[in-house]
Amino acid sequence: EAGVAQSPRYKIIEKRQSVAFWCNPISGHATLYWYQQILGQGPKLLIQFQNNGVVDDSQLPKDRFSAERLKGVDSTLKIQPAKLEDSAVYLCASSLRRTAGYETQYFGPGTRLLVL
Amino acid sequence: AQKITQTQPGMFVQEKEAVTLDCTYDTSDPSYGLFWYKQPSSGEMIFLIYQGSYDQQNATEGRYSLNFQKARKSANLVISASQLGDSAMYFCAMREVGGGADGLTFGKGTHLIIQP
Repeated sequence: EAGVAQSPRYKIIEKRQSVAFWCNPISGHATLYWYQQILGQGPKLLIQFQNNGVVDDSQLPKDRFSAERLKGVDSTLKIQPAKLEDSAVYLCASSLRRTAGYETQYFGPGTRLLVL
Repeated sequence: AQKITQTQPGMFVQEKEAVTLDCTYDTSDPSYGLFWYKQPSSGEMIFLIYQGSYDQQNATEGRYSLNFQKARKSANLVISASQLGDSAMYFCAMREVGGGADGLTFGKGTHLIIQP
């Protein structure tokens, strides 16, 4: 079974530029998460989708970050304009469904973003 | 308030020894799940073990076991017979089932180094 796929793996941009990340979850997984992991910290949830609807985006900086999951499969996360503090690893995760506490989240390899 | 606390920023352990990674958590939700993930230098988060708040027995997965002490709100990871490949960052995480948002809340991690 294929895991969570993310691209690109690395991205270097200058501040005030825009950038987009792509995620393809495990086939059949209804729930998709985007996390931000700043160096030296644990991942922090940015947004959670259930199929193509947003369940939680309370920690998403909506003035510059946006995300969508059209058709309930692939998802894109966009930053526009980027700031220096956005330098981090952006992790995508998916799980089979949201209703059970024991549902394991499976993570992709992440996209390492460096904003100069 | 910090929901997941990992007090050991780094640990050095001799190969083949057992190691315990500490994790304490804070929640008022009676239904929650506790997870441990391993993050090697490649960056991908690898699921290790899960413990539900209502589980009567401690979870075990191969060389990994979770020492769950509910009254003390602790969920320590025990790795038996450590191997060089166990060197990585280890994150404790919690998922609260009762609320609308069920993304994982992570601790800051413990950097484990296994020495030959």
